Amino acid sequence: GENVEQHPSTLSVQEGDSAVIKCTYSDSASNYFPWYKQELGKRPQLIIDIRSNVGEKKDQRIAVTLNKTAKHFSLHITETQPEDSAVYFCAASRVTGTYKYIFGTGTRLKVLA
Amino acid sequence: GAVVSQHPSWVICKSGTSVKIECRSLDFQATTMFWYRQFPKQSLMLMATSNEGSKATYEQGVEKDKFLINHASLTLSTLTVTSAHPEDSSFYICSALGLAGKLEQYFGPGTRLTVT
Repeated sequence: GENVEQHPSTLSVQEGDSAVIKCTYSDSASNYFPWYKQELGKRPQLIIDIRSNVGEKKDQRIAVTLNKTAKHFSLHITETQPEDSAVYFCAASRVTGTYKYIFGTGTRLKVLA
Repeated sequence: GAVVSQHPSWVICKSGTSVKIECRSLDFQATTMFWYRQFPKQSLMLMATSNEGSKATYEQGVEKDKFLINHASLTLSTLTVTSAHPEDSSFYICSALGLAGKLEQYFGPGTRLTVT
């Protein structure tokens, strides 16, 4: 079945440094890739997403890159702040046909002040 | 816009009883809703996809007779955990899809179920 691998499972960075989280998907028909941030006991919140016809997308301190050939995509957070500390999930989905998210296993990011 | 609510936010029940969790899209019509289960420090596991007016599509390994899903209207889906057991204790989260042109799923705040 489809799956999404996510690395690393935990990541600690100093405030102001950059953080990178990587995901690899198995379903070559996937063409939509959202990233969610989830704080403890809260709902996941979309922080950025990318479609397969785009290689990179940026929103202020957050960027996502996609390599369709290699079937992997990455989240980049620059100038990290303590409030960026949370669990981040990547997901892969098809836009047509069977639409559902396949989530990665999550990355617990700690930004040290 | 795009607010999804869940009720209750937490519930404690005894083994053998049934529990119903509601998921509502408050300001949009959700053509499709999803139910996820999340164990502590783990990812979201999709349980089923429900479309208004039709039967839910369950993921492999999810017992449809145990986790009853009803998507009665474009703003309401319910998950009923029947004959609950302690191993059903978990965080259940719903999400909704429906805004025109949007692929994003909007998540509810989750329901923490504890079965004693």
